Amino acid sequence: LAKTTQPISMDSYEGQEVNITCSHNNIATNDYITWYQQFPSQGPRFIIQGYKTKVTNEVASLFIPADRKSSTLSLPRVSLSDTAVYYCPAEANTGGFKTIFGAGTRLFVKA
Amino acid sequence: NAGVTQTPKFRVLKTGQSMTLLCAQDMNHEYMYWYRQDPGMGLRLIHYSVGEGTTAKGEVPDGYNVSRLKKQNFLLGLESAAPSQTSVYFCASSLPQTGPTGELFFGEGSRLTVL
Repeated sequence: LAKTTQPISMDSYEGQEVNITCSHNNIATNDYITWYQQFPSQGPRFIIQGYKTKVTNEVASLFIPADRKSSTLSLPRVSLSDTAVYYCPAEANTGGFKTIFGAGTRLFVKA
Repeated sequence: NAGVTQTPKFRVLKTGQSMTLLCAQDMNHEYMYWYRQDPGMGLRLIHYSVGEGTTAKGEVPDGYNVSRLKKQNFLLGLESAAPSQTSVYFCASSLPQTGPTGELFFGEGSRLTVL
């Protein structure tokens, strides 16, 4: 059964770089790795997606090693507004495509 | 372009009452999902649909029913509400997940309290 594992929580200070790592158990060959961000009282929103190596957008970078068993979301120079829960859901492709979210990583950025 | 719209946003029910949550998307997405989120926890998949007229069970389907009569709408029903169903419910939609993982677009959530 596809499943991901990530730390429950992390603390950081404004201006620091934050790296959140996710383990991808049983990731399928065709699966991409996607990260979401969720603020209180809102639905999760897409941050970044990748398949292999490194992907960068205006918000974050995503590092994926060659074996694709893990991924690291990197947030450069975080601010207070980056305080949120970050998810790296698993894709379960048996019996239809469905996205399985775990508890996510609660990032708290301090001033 | 509204994206994913959920109604109602708040509802209080008494144990045993029934209700329906409506999710509507205007992005012509094939896939739609219902998740629930309890305090301090992640999202758990209740039911999902890979196309009009089809539905399937997720991780926690008991006590819920769904219907996808129109492509743009996905309804979540509670036939006999229980306090354990007090939660925030999120609807999401996506393109078919073949090849690249389809990005999920979420609604703003519906907060349900069962007394």
